[in-house]
Amino acid sequence: SAVISQKPSRDICQRGTSLTIQCQVDSQVTMMFWYRQQPGQSLTLIATANQGSEATYESGFVIDKFPISRPNLTFSTLTVSNMSPEDSSIYLCSVVTENTEAFFGQGTRLTVV
Amino acid sequence: AQTVTQSQPEMSVQEAETVTLSCTYDTSENNYYLFWYKQPPSRQMILVIRQEAYKQQNATENRFSVNFQKAAKSFSLKISDSQLGDTAMYFCAFMKHRGGGADGLTFGKGTHLIIQP
Repeated sequence: SAVISQKPSRDICQRGTSLTIQCQVDSQVTMMFWYRQQPGQSLTLIATANQGSEATYESGFVIDKFPISRPNLTFSTLTVSNMSPEDSSIYLCSVVTENTEAFFGQGTRLTVV
Repeated sequence: AQTVTQSQPEMSVQEAETVTLSCTYDTSENNYYLFWYKQPPSRQMILVIRQEAYKQQNATENRFSVNFQKAAKSFSLKISDSQLGDTAMYFCAFMKHRGGGADGLTFGKGTHLIIQP
């Protein structure tokens, strides 16, 4: 298994500002992902965080809005840029272990006012 | 692209009963994994059970078991002896496996399971 620490757990931000979410894993993992869960909805994949190279974004998500860093195999950040109320969601990081089990951080509940 | 369908938005059963949550998926892939996650009000995503597509034997974890029908692309979750703590959203998810890694998960819309005392 993998233990994932994600912070902050929640935040209230002003529109037009940016928030950086951190994800720390207790072991080295190759595969790390970021998801968004809009209110009352399911999870949607934002991007794959690639170590040492640019993240791979899913359709509908762009690097300018959601820049991602992955400096090593245990850490990643997701920034939500130039926020609007529509960005209010839960953001979750996830890792896939060598056993092909997918684990999640506890999520960051973001409210944009 | 893969799609995952959960056709039951909400289910309610009495404590100690057995309940089955349905999930179907659509894919042209042959090498993949299927998951069930539980999300209580704390919003933590908890891995309940995982199934490898190349294994015919259905996965089991204590009170949780799956009925995996690969030809029918069906992956239902059975919860036996349901408990109040089982009350949560349950998500079915698909992950394509590829050499050297895996893609991210594709989720269904979820089923809200309520266990009544």
